[in-house]
Amino acid sequence: EADIYQTPRYLVIGTGKKITLECSQTMGHDKMYWYQQDPGMELHLIHYSYGVNSTEKGDLSSESTVSRIRTEHFPLTLESARPSHTSQYLCASSGWDGLNYGYTFGSGTRLTVV
Amino acid sequence: KQEVTQIPAALSVPEGENLVLNCSFTDSAIYNLQWFRQDPGKGLTSLLLIQSSQREQTSGRLNASLDKSSGRSTLYIAASQPGDSATYLCAVRSNYQLIWGAGTKLIIKP
Repeated sequence: EADIYQTPRYLVIGTGKKITLECSQTMGHDKMYWYQQDPGMELHLIHYSYGVNSTEKGDLSSESTVSRIRTEHFPLTLESARPSHTSQYLCASSGWDGLNYGYTFGSGTRLTVV
Repeated sequence: KQEVTQIPAALSVPEGENLVLNCSFTDSAIYNLQWFRQDPGKGLTSLLLIQSSQREQTSGRLNASLDKSSGRSTLYIAASQPGDSATYLCAVRSNYQLIWGAGTKLIIKP
């Protein structure tokens, strides 16, 4: 079944550690996105990609980086985690399914930096 | 600059009631509008997508309408159930970006 997967689901990590949040989709979508969401707050776009080797920063400034080497894979990396990075990170992809151009979201990674 | 507003921010109703959630946007030049559901601590589930040329979409007990000229969309939930409790988000697609509302937190009381 076509879907979008995020791992890990939950992560607690110490300050200064390097972490990579994984996101993979099986729908063949060209466009992928990373959003950051604090509890009860709006989603904020932090990175997006329109295809392989294409990455852009979003509206919200972020110290994270992304890469898009394969269409299906869009990992997000924090080189040195800090408590201010504690948040939920949501990955999404978008594409045409023959009827509509819609967005599909992963289940999210809840990151806590201690 | 496109802005999306959702009213009310929170809503609590008894089980069985029909209810309407509102979404307004400032720029009518949109490609589509999408309603999502988010359960606490979880990702987003797409509920309904309305293309800019459409007036409404229906899925089960959910009906979403779109009035582009007035910059408004409504999500109608019929015969609400406790399992409908969640935050409902609307997002408009302008260019290749989604512009989000802050959501309506819905609580259905048994």
